[in-house]
Amino acid sequence: EPEVTQTPSHQVTQMGQEVILRCVPISNHLYFYWYRQILGQKVEFLVSFYNNEISEKSEIFDDQFSVERPDGSNFTLKIRSTKLEDSAMYFCASSEISSNYGYTFGSGTRLTVV
Amino acid sequence: AQTVTQSQPEMSVQEAETVTLSCTYDTSESDYYLFWYKQPPSRQMILVIRQEAYKQQNATENRFSVNFQKAAKSFSLKISDSQLGDAAMYFCAYRRKKAGGTSYGKLTFGQGTILTVHP
Repeated sequence: EPEVTQTPSHQVTQMGQEVILRCVPISNHLYFYWYRQILGQKVEFLVSFYNNEISEKSEIFDDQFSVERPDGSNFTLKIRSTKLEDSAMYFCASSEISSNYGYTFGSGTRLTVV
Repeated sequence: AQTVTQSQPEMSVQEAETVTLSCTYDTSESDYYLFWYKQPPSRQMILVIRQEAYKQQNATENRFSVNFQKAAKSFSLKISDSQLGDAAMYFCAYRRKKAGGTSYGKLTFGQGTILTVHP
């Protein structure tokens, strides 16, 4: 069964450093998403991406965040200057344009900012 | 804005018994999708079951079924014959149906319910 692949599974970074979280969506999917889950809390939408541009973003997705699909297969989330409160699990997901079956989520990247 | 509420932070069930997880939501839309996702300790989000709002019939997937009450904006998940592997965090989620019936768009999640299954 096709999978969404996220790397790394765990990243530790110093406060103020830039991090890039990587995702490989399912190959025939056209919509891509990032969500985050602070430990013990609910899953929050960050951004959706379609046709090489952001289609929707939340209030959380401020100027510190950016997304990119650099090569037609990878989908990345960059956090420019990490803060302690960015520590969370980050999930990538993808969906077909006409799928009625929800998304396929990746297994997540646990980001720890120290 | 749409909101999703899960009022049960934790639930427990004996193996082989039945448990029901509650979810309510608020929306002004008439057509949308509702989902239950399972998050085991591995933290992966796994789709359990989905319901389209315009369908009257409650969705069923093996031991999992929903009770969808559109007027009450309620969407509960029933797990029958509970198994140890059902132990996980369960999230209820909502997604608006976009124009033309396409189903892309953000998911709005509830706070989650931790389900413990006792042997």
